[in-house]
Amino acid sequence: AQKVTQAQTEISVVEKEDVTLDCVYETRDTTYYLFWYKQPPSGELVFLIRRNSFDEQNEISGRYSWNFQKSTSSFNFTITASQVVDSAVYFCALSERGEYGNKLVFGAGTILRVKS
Amino acid sequence: NAGVTQTPKFRVLKTGQSMTLLCAQDMNHEYMYWYRQDPGMGLRLIHYSVGEGTTAKGEVPDGYNVSRLKKQNFLLGLESAAPSQTSVYFCASSQVGDRKTNTEAFFGQGTRLTVV
Repeated sequence: AQKVTQAQTEISVVEKEDVTLDCVYETRDTTYYLFWYKQPPSGELVFLIRRNSFDEQNEISGRYSWNFQKSTSSFNFTITASQVVDSAVYFCALSERGEYGNKLVFGAGTILRVKS
Repeated sequence: NAGVTQTPKFRVLKTGQSMTLLCAQDMNHEYMYWYRQDPGMGLRLIHYSVGEGTTAKGEVPDGYNVSRLKKQNFLLGLESAAPSQTSVYFCASSQVGDRKTNTEAFFGQGTRLTVV
């Protein structure tokens, strides 16, 4: 069973539009971490945010905001007033306990295209 | 600091050849990971390690072997390469954080492997 689901394969928006990227996760752990990473066209993976399972406060960082809801097992990411430079692949990830310690698993990613 | 360094960055192999990808980190991290990235599949975990001398299987371990003889190095081996192993490979490392879960992972630049 897929642990991290990013149902949106690709999203296209026009600059200055707001866009929300969805992430739904599945875990039996009571303690876990969730992450968002950005992969721009250059290919490197850039860490954006980490949230732990015992802190459901939403977070805002500039144009980025994250909505964590344990009741729906979701950790959604919103970009406000999108810009062309936001064009990238965005990955949601879950750190959960494996047989030999914690492992980090990723969703399939959402391609975001922001057009000018 | 170099962070996470992968060697080589590009490689073309013939079917049946073997090779080893090297990942080195200088952050004294406990956890290290190998992922492969294929279009539409996101980052899939091949193997991971929770400490020197300890490795574990991830989501797609078949056809790969790993070793972690030193804390700073994590090697990924392909004993007999197949075209299905054509992919971009990423190595990552992370530290054990609060409550025994991971901090954010730091990634290498990736290795583009083509098997012909």
